[in-house]
Amino acid sequence: KAGVTQTPRYLIKTRGQQVTLSCSPISGHRSVSWYQQTPGQGLQFLFEYFSETQRNKGNFPGRFSGRQFSNSRSEMNVSTLELGDSALYLCASSGLAGGPETQYFGPGTRLLVL
Amino acid sequence: AQKITQTQPGMFVQEKEAVTLDCTYDTSDQSYGLFWYKQPSSGEMIFLIYQGSYDEQNATEGRYSLNFQKARKSANLVISASQLGDSAMYFCAMRKNTGNQFYFGTGTSLTVIP
Repeated sequence: KAGVTQTPRYLIKTRGQQVTLSCSPISGHRSVSWYQQTPGQGLQFLFEYFSETQRNKGNFPGRFSGRQFSNSRSEMNVSTLELGDSALYLCASSGLAGGPETQYFGPGTRLLVL
Repeated sequence: AQKITQTQPGMFVQEKEAVTLDCTYDTSDQSYGLFWYKQPSSGEMIFLIYQGSYDEQNATEGRYSLNFQKARKSANLVISASQLGDSAMYFCAMRKNTGNQFYFGTGTSLTVIP
């Protein structure tokens, strides 16, 4: 089975711009979660989507949004970029709703905001 | 709130030796899952091992084993016969079994010395 894929892998933007990141989960997985990883804050949970619905949300401002499509692919959007948004954005997918499902991560998108 | 604590920011181990990475967690839930992930410098989070809160036996996956002490709320990762390729960041994570949100520790940087 192919793993989780994320595009693009690297991105450079300037303050004030917006960005859209994409994540394709493992085939058959219906849950997609997004995380932001920075040296100062570590791994922080952004949100989780399951069957096109946001099921959990972390403590991030409304500039961070996401969606999930019927094929379980997910996109994350950040509007009005700030310097502090520079981070590694990780996407993870898991299988069924409920139960101790393992999350499998993609390679991440490294975003640099100048 | 769930909290994962990894008290060792950095660890060194001689090649072929065993090493233990510490992880303690705080939760009032009775049912949860504990995970360890490895993150090489490339950034991808690689799933290593899982332990359910009701599992009576410690989990093992090849050279990885999880020393689970439920009463102490600890879930230490033991890597036997360390290899140079084990040099990476290691993250402990917990997942409540109601919902799919993962909580991560701050990580331990492991360096394997030849």
